[in-house]
Amino acid sequence: QVQLQESGPGLVKPSQTLSLTCTVSGGSISSGSYYWSWIRQPAGKGLEWIGRIYTSGSTNYNPSLKSRVTISVDTSKNQFSLKLSSVTAADTAVYYCARDASFVEMAFDYWGQGTLVTVSS
Amino acid sequence: DIQMTQSPSTLSASVGDRVTITCRASQSISSWLAWYQQKPGKAPKLLIYKASSLESGVPSRFSGSGSGTEFTLTISSLQPDDFATYYCQQYNSHTWTFGQGTKVEIK
Repeated sequence: QVQLQESGPGLVKPSQTLSLTCTVSGGSISSGSYYWSWIRQPAGKGLEWIGRIYTSGSTNYNPSLKSRVTISVDTSKNQFSLKLSSVTAADTAVYYCARDASFVEMAFDYWGQGTLVTVSS
Repeated sequence: DIQMTQSPSTLSASVGDRVTITCRASQSISSWLAWYQQKPGKAPKLLIYKASSLESGVPSRFSGSGSGTEFTLTISSLQPDDFATYYCQQYNSHTWTFGQGTKVEIK
């Protein structure tokens, strides 16, 4: 059973960079059959896709966040990471990582439990 | 960018009711549409992919239909465990977009 777990600071100061890591277990991130995505959800609001990465390092980003987002992968650790720069209070949200089954189901079939990141001084 | 519009935003229903949620895309997305269920404090759960395919382990009372720009999620007989928020999701040009969500409440 594939499992994903987000980790990182729960509090980030305005203008700084938010950094999160997603650790994948129960399957190899290098399998080549999946992308790996980040999604966020402000309290009481809907879901927003942030971006994704393939095992090769190829990325796609939400155009509205593209200038501030970097997603990377570390296959040796079976992890992928998110960096979001120049954060403001509007970036306060629960951040999820998910397995992006674009080659098979065209959907996100496994999700992490989510981690709350608050942007505040 | 393709916009996804879900309706209604909130739906009040009773156990046993047949419930239908609609998702409209601003342009054709073929059948590249998924549906998720989310309960408070939990991650979304995949219900339907490619518009009408039922994810493994999901009860058969859930079904999806549609193609092009209009899609529906139907719950044939609403159960107590089904009170939640439902999201549609589309894929186009290497990006994903979610609908704004439909909250299914107890009537």
